[in-house]
Amino acid sequence: KNEVEQSPQNLTAQEGEFITINCSYSVGISALHWLQQHPGGGIVSLFMLSSGKKKHGRLIATINIQEKHSSLHITASHPRDSAVYICALTLNTDKLIFGTGTRLQVFP
Amino acid sequence: EPEVTQTPSHQVTQMGQEVILRCVPISNHLYFYWYRQILGQKVEFLVSFYNNEISEKSEIFDDQFSVERPDGSNFTLKIRSTKLEDSAMYFCASSEQRGEETQYFGPGTRLLVL
Repeated sequence: KNEVEQSPQNLTAQEGEFITINCSYSVGISALHWLQQHPGGGIVSLFMLSSGKKKHGRLIATINIQEKHSSLHITASHPRDSAVYICALTLNTDKLIFGTGTRLQVFP
Repeated sequence: EPEVTQTPSHQVTQMGQEVILRCVPISNHLYFYWYRQILGQKVEFLVSFYNNEISEKSEIFDDQFSVERPDGSNFTLKIRSTKLEDSAMYFCASSEQRGEETQYFGPGTRLLVL
């Protein structure tokens, strides 16, 4: 069973487009994380959310606890945003439970 | 900016050999983790470590695996007798606190078992 589901699995966009990646989960969480995995494999934490909305530069993350849903938005997308974006959950322990990721390609 | 480092970046080994993957977590962090990612699959939790003992481990982390913090800076993952299915990218991570806390990931060690 998958506790966390992401959509879409793959996404292509033209430079400048507004992008939305969705994450739904089925369990009670203490926090939800959005991470970015670069083509070389490295993982970078973008956001950690337990409620509401966070913004960092062109990235915005929102979460709706009642609906068990989170979105990651990228405004004015750029080719350097091309990566895999991963939603991960923290339940009542320390470990992260990862989703399968959304592969984003932004073309010039 | 402080970062988690891992060595080696790549390791090739023969089935049945022992491997040790090394990590240097961020210096003021107290919680340490190992995750792995088999090629084409999602990242999976292996083990968490705090105060010189394992806090939690997954079903993957069987008797072939062990972790150690041999000194004040290194955090190691040992696989005693590698199997073909251990081929994966292994990520170390650390965090300052537990629970609702950002985890900082190292660049990974790509392990190939032949």
